[in-house]
Amino acid sequence: QKEVEQNSGPLSVPEGAIASLNCTYSDRGSQSFFWYRQYSGKSPELIMFIYSNGDKEDGRFTAQLNKASQYVSLLIRDSQPSDSATYLCAVPNQGGKLIFGQGTELSVKP
Amino acid sequence: SQTIHQWPATLVQPVGSPLSLECTVEGTSNPNLYWYRQAAGRGLQLLFYSVGIGQISSEVPQNLSASRPQDRQFILSSKKLLLSDSGFYLCAWSLWDQYEQYFGPGTRLTVT
Repeated sequence: QKEVEQNSGPLSVPEGAIASLNCTYSDRGSQSFFWYRQYSGKSPELIMFIYSNGDKEDGRFTAQLNKASQYVSLLIRDSQPSDSATYLCAVPNQGGKLIFGQGTELSVKP
Repeated sequence: SQTIHQWPATLVQPVGSPLSLECTVEGTSNPNLYWYRQAAGRGLQLLFYSVGIGQISSEVPQNLSASRPQDRQFILSSKKLLLSDSGFYLCAWSLWDQYEQYFGPGTRLTVT
């Protein structure tokens, strides 16, 4: 059974700092990875996905993948209070399904 | 562009009553469709997924069922609700050949 692990947090960072969210996965064969953001009371929103080793940048967000160590990270630069949310990591499973981690709650303090 | 709708947005139902939640997708054909439940403060639990009309796979045995009567319509049902059925119900879709899933706004169900 594939597993995806995330620290539940809460992770608290001051406004303007870099927030680093981590996710480890059990299946060494996983090829793609997804990050979702979920505001309190709202549905998850896809914000990043990464398929290959290294970094992928999109605005203030950077996804980092290290397949050898089986972890994927999401960095948020210049964190804003509006980034306060729960961030979910997901990896594909057979049949087009995704396995989600429990999520890490991020709190950005003004 | 594609959009996904769910209704109702909130629902309060007594124990033992029936349930019907609906999800529709616009702007795409033959999507994969998914029903998830998220209990308060918990992660996402996949309940059902469908790769086509009438094709439903159940992930967790329970008193819920799902149906897909049309290509872009997915319905979650129950004949008799339990207290433990309370939660945030999310419908999601993906293209048939991709893993990225996109979620609807969700239905918050409270069973009393």
